[in-house]
Amino acid sequence: GENVEQHPSTLSVQEGDSAVIKCTYSDSASNYFPWYKQELGKRPQLIIDIRSNVGEKKDQRIAVTLNKTAKHFSLHITETQPEDSAVYFCAATLREGGADGLTFGKGTHLIIQP
Amino acid sequence: DTAVSQTPKYLVTQMGNDKSIKCEQNLGHDTMYWYKQDSKKFLKIMFSYNNKELIINETVPNRFSPKSPDKAHLNLHINSLELGDSAVYFCASTRQGAREQYFGPGTRLTVT
Repeated sequence: GENVEQHPSTLSVQEGDSAVIKCTYSDSASNYFPWYKQELGKRPQLIIDIRSNVGEKKDQRIAVTLNKTAKHFSLHITETQPEDSAVYFCAATLREGGADGLTFGKGTHLIIQP
Repeated sequence: DTAVSQTPKYLVTQMGNDKSIKCEQNLGHDTMYWYKQDSKKFLKIMFSYNNKELIINETVPNRFSPKSPDKAHLNLHINSLELGDSAVYFCASTRQGAREQYFGPGTRLTVT
């Protein structure tokens, strides 16, 4: 089955700086890669996703890049703000909306220092 | 007008008991999931279910079983609860062919 590795486990950055979280996956058949943000005590919420036929996607201050050859994808957050502090999870799955669920990385605790 | 709801929000019970967690979605989605998040925050798929197939993660003990009375509900039954079952359980749903999985608010299960 799919295995997703995520690094770092904790990331502390100064407010206004950029943050980068990296993930690798094992199954070359995976074709959908979402990123979720989870605040303390809350549910995971989708912040951005990318399909395998796209190399990069951007939404305001967040962007995701995908390298299918190397089987890795990354989340980039620019101009970080205190409200960006949370745990971020990358995930991979074979099919969007398919019945095989998401395989998550182990999460990155992002801390924004004022 | 909550999209995905779960009950109860908190569940405290003793080892050996049998319990159920309910999940309902009002989005008209046809695929539902159960995830387990342990104390280290690791999120792991347990079950995926639509009207055509049930996919069970091979690491899930057979004490856990999903029950779907209709398309809008996927309940989780747990028999003979163990200490290691303590975790937050999230239900999620999606529409066939769609992208986003919508998560419920979670049920924090504590086994004493």
